[in-house]
Amino acid sequence: EAQVTQNPRYLITVTGKKLTVTCSQNMNHEYMSWYRQDPGLGLRQIYYSMNVEVTDKGDVPEGYKVSRKEKRNFPLILESPSPNQTSLYFCASRGGGGAVHTQYFGPGTRLTVL
Amino acid sequence: GNSVTQMEGPVTLSEEAFLTINCTYTATGYPSLFWYVQYPGEGLQLLLKATKADDKGSNKGFEATYRKETTSFHLEKGSVQVSDSAVYFCALSNSGYALNFGKGTSLLVTP
Repeated sequence: EAQVTQNPRYLITVTGKKLTVTCSQNMNHEYMSWYRQDPGLGLRQIYYSMNVEVTDKGDVPEGYKVSRKEKRNFPLILESPSPNQTSLYFCASRGGGGAVHTQYFGPGTRLTVL
Repeated sequence: GNSVTQMEGPVTLSEEAFLTINCTYTATGYPSLFWYVQYPGEGLQLLLKATKADDKGSNKGFEATYRKETTSFHLEKGSVQVSDSAVYFCALSNSGYALNFGKGTSLLVTP
């Protein structure tokens, strides 16, 4: 089954404690990205990756890092989380080509930073 | 830059009522347009899409037509069901990669 998986699904942590949210896709997609969803703001892109070892900032990259060492994985790293990073996070992937291709979203990770 | 504006919710309808959720956009060039749906506790799923002017996307009884002259992509359904209760997001993609989302419209359908 084609899917994007994220772990953990729920996480409560404290300010300053480094954490990683994993994302994996089994569709051999080149493009992957991270979004955060906040009430009244919709979804905003944090980082994206066009392929292995190619990453770039989205609209709200501050406080986040990513890496793309393998095609299937695209972890999101919060080196020193702060309460304003409390949010619902989604990983997404899509294949190559133009805008017609569908993006597949993971189930989401709900992060609370105390 | 690109932006999407959709009507604010929540929208509450009775079962079998007609649904319209308005969506307008600002973009350079010729973006592709999408409607995504998010059911409670789940991720986003693509509901329908349109890639050029006058295209009509449709799925599960929902429809939306890409209107370039009014820069709109309104979502419609003739008869909603309780199971349609969800949050609906309008989105566009100009680059073929990043999606620009609206803020979402919450729909509640009551029996």
